[in-house]
Amino acid sequence: SQQGEEDPQALSIQEGENATMNCSYKTSINNLQWYRQNSGRGLVHLILIRSNEREKHSGRLRVTLDTSKKSSSLLITASRAADTASYFCATDAEGSGGYQKVTFGTGTKLQVIP
Amino acid sequence: ETGVTQTPRHLVMGMTNKKSLKCEQHLGHNAMYWYKQSAKKPLELMFVYSLEERVENNSVPSRFSPECPNSSHLFLHLHTLQPEDSALYLCASSQDSGLAGGPHTQYFGPGTRLTVL
Repeated sequence: SQQGEEDPQALSIQEGENATMNCSYKTSINNLQWYRQNSGRGLVHLILIRSNEREKHSGRLRVTLDTSKKSSSLLITASRAADTASYFCATDAEGSGGYQKVTFGTGTKLQVIP
Repeated sequence: ETGVTQTPRHLVMGMTNKKSLKCEQHLGHNAMYWYKQSAKKPLELMFVYSLEERVENNSVPSRFSPECPNSSHLFLHLHTLQPEDSALYLCASSQDSGLAGGPHTQYFGPGTRLTVL
């Protein structure tokens, strides 16, 4: 079973509405990050939240982290058609030999309709 | 642009071919990664190199052979692939592989879309 699972798998909203995506994970983490991927392209880092933080903002993005529930949410406010992409959470945990292992979830596919 | 380039962007190969994917990062990072992205599956970590030394081999079949000649370049050599190896192969780099426990932001290239016939 994977470390990070996003919910919902797909989301379709009208431009201007808010979009909320959730991520759940299984083991203790050091950091959690959200990435965005346009179709057929590489991932782009959006925001990082550390395990001792509860909320973080960056522009129209708001990320929350609840380590007791092992979950995080990404809120995109006032969505735009250009926000159409897949969004992934990535958890950062201790791997073997001191290597920090990053594990990506399956992603939420967001469609913003103009 | 993220500072990570990949070539080629698209590759079609037969099962008996040998080809190589190339990744180059211009960010001065010490760690580089290969990921495989298949439809409806999570991103699969394949290999991690830190300071040109392989630190992770995530049970990848031997038909995939990585090479990291220096901290800026990473190759993935392919031979006798199977149709199920068709996927988007993504390269990424980060400042380090996170041994110090710090944040581990990765910068991704645009990927190589591989089709194995």
